[in-house]
This record gives sequence, C-alpha cells and structure tokens, in this order.
Amino acid sequence: QKEVEQDPGPLSVPEGAIVSLNCTYSNSAFQYFMWYRQYSRKGPELLMYTYSSGNKEDGRFTAQVDKSSKYISLFIRDSQPSDSATYLCAMTTNQAGTALIFGKGTTLSVSS
Amino acid sequence: DGGITQSPKYLFRKEGQNVTLSCEQNLNHDAMYWYRQDPGQGLRLIYYSQIVNDFQKGDIAEGYSVSREKKESFPLTVTSAQKNPTAFYLCASSQGVTSSDEQYFGPGTRLTVT
Repeated sequence: QKEVEQDPGPLSVPEGAIVSLNCTYSNSAFQYFMWYRQYSRKGPELLMYTYSSGNKEDGRFTAQVDKSSKYISLFIRDSQPSDSATYLCAMTTNQAGTALIFGKGTTLSVSS
Repeated sequence: DGGITQSPKYLFRKEGQNVTLSCEQNLNHDAMYWYRQDPGQGLRLIYYSQIVNDFQKGDIAEGYSVSREKKESFPLTVTSAQKNPTAFYLCASSQGVTSSDEQYFGPGTRLTVT
C-alpha cells in the first residue's frame, strides 16, 4: 500500500460546480497536510496548509482533514475555468527533516 | 521580486552526458530541495539541503549530485549514471526543515535526454 493515494482523474465539471478532491494515507504519524495546484508545465503553487485535524477555509477553497479516517479533502466552490489544473496533496510528520510525501495528483477540468 | 528561479526551462542532452540544472532563490530560505516529477508518478525527492555545505539524499538520489556552496543556490547535476533522466525537475525552498515550514516551488526545468 502506497503511503498516499490520490485518484488521478481526470475530473471534468461544469463552471459553478462544487468540486471535491481527496487523498487517503496510511501513515498515522502525518500531522501536516497541504494542497498544491499545478498548471500545465509549471511548478506547484501552495494552496492550503493545515495542521492535524479540522477544516480550513480560504475564499472558495476549503481543506478538511480527518485523521481518524486518514482522509483529507479539498473542496472548491463555484469552480471556474481558471481552476483547471492538477491538484496535488502532500503531507509530512512533525519530525524535523522529514520530506513531504506527495500524492500523484488529480487533474481537474472546469468547462465554461 | 522574491522567488525561486530555475534555468533553463527546457533542456536537451544526448545520452551519456552530464547536465547541471540551476536553482536560485532570493527568499533567504535556509532549506532547498530537488524533486523529480514523472507523468502519473507525483513528485519524488532527490536531494535536500538544510544549510550551506550540507545536503542529504532523498528517495531517488542515485545518478544525481548536488552542491550547496551558497545559501541562494542549489544546482543539481544529472549524471550519465541516471538510467531514466528524462523528466520534469522541480526545485523548492523553505524557511527551515521543520514540518511547519511551507515549501515553495520554482517553475521547473524539463529535461529530455535522447
């Protein structure tokens, strides 16, 4: 079992839809959880960063962490064509020097 | 304008040649990282450096080498020993290497070896 599992998609939605992106993980020591957005042929851009369990909201984006289920989600409300990108989840433990472990990314396409 | 720069954006090399990818940051970050991204594989850590003149191997260091002579610079050399060098290479930096330090990425270099 891989440490982080993420459905690669592709996921296609109409403009205005609510999008749900998810990752599951196996290492219960993960404490820090991130979502990156990556446009084609560009570097990843940090979108959301959460510590431990709970929700975090930033504009149209909401990140949720459920440590009991080892499951994290990113919700995008009122999706726009500019949201079309690959979304990568990443996570790490609270041990200094531990690398980020990335999911493979989910490709999202929002059509107008 | 603070950020991470990687050059060149595209790089083509013949098999058997070593090639060095540049990464520079002006964020005054202590830690720097190199990742490799392949289609359907996500990002995999090659090397990272916490401070000048010190670096550690990541998950896939074989066939790669790095140096950290200056805080701002962390070049990656892809040697002829790397069996599948064609990939998208991403450099990142963070304030430190504690888990709460956010990593910021450069625009990447796409290397093609034929």
